[in-house]
Amino acid sequence: QSVLTQPPSASGTPGQRVTISCSGSTSNIGSNPVSWYQQLPETAPKLLIYSTNQRPSGVPDRFSGSKSGTSASLAISGLQSEDEADYYCAAWDDGLNGLVFGGGTKLTVL
Amino acid sequence: QVQLVQSGAEVKKPGASVKVSCKASGYTFSSNDINWVRQATGQGLEWMGWMNPNSGNTGYAQKFQGRVTMTRDTSTSTAYMELSSLRSEDTAVYYCARGNIGYCSSTSCYDYYMDVWGKGTTVTVSS
Repeated sequence: QSVLTQPPSASGTPGQRVTISCSGSTSNIGSNPVSWYQQLPETAPKLLIYSTNQRPSGVPDRFSGSKSGTSASLAISGLQSEDEADYYCAAWDDGLNGLVFGGGTKLTVL
Repeated sequence: QVQLVQSGAEVKKPGASVKVSCKASGYTFSSNDINWVRQATGQGLEWMGWMNPNSGNTGYAQKFQGRVTMTRDTSTSTAYMELSSLRSEDTAVYYCARGNIGYCSSTSCYDYYMDVWGKGTTVTVSS
């Protein structure tokens, strides 16, 4: 099982706002910033959010990230069909001295 | 443009080794770590480790220590990941990804993320 915990699935209708949670511990999310990755079907992951709440250039501002304590969240507003993908959170873990991922959340746009 | 181009698919027998390459272009190879992440079919992402192209220093996930070796050839801006003693559970897509260190307001935090990914290399382990 993954060090970070994500719900296996999430869904929403076009235009809706959805959030995906990522739960960790004091050695990872509680201490370090979080990144999020989007993986469209049959493609490599893509950086979506870094440093907890920063968007790389080219990522729409519909995507936002936040963190509180040992949990983080990814919010997607104005949901679009092309947002249907798997989403992964990640953070450095001080105890393991390595990067840890969540198990991934499959987002379905109904 | 910045890109990482990986080598082609591999089929190996149990007990063998595999070496996957990742050629960087569009940026200064020595400026960023190269990470390796794998994904078994239908499963999530699993971080394997990092390699600093400038120093050659490496850091491996505990699960892979003793079985993985990450190296580089700075003359060709290419990183390599070799995994030995292959078993069927190692069947997966292996990605290389460029590492970045972000800004932390506290000296005790470490902001690490991967901003550029290769397309992946499928490694199949089968007798």
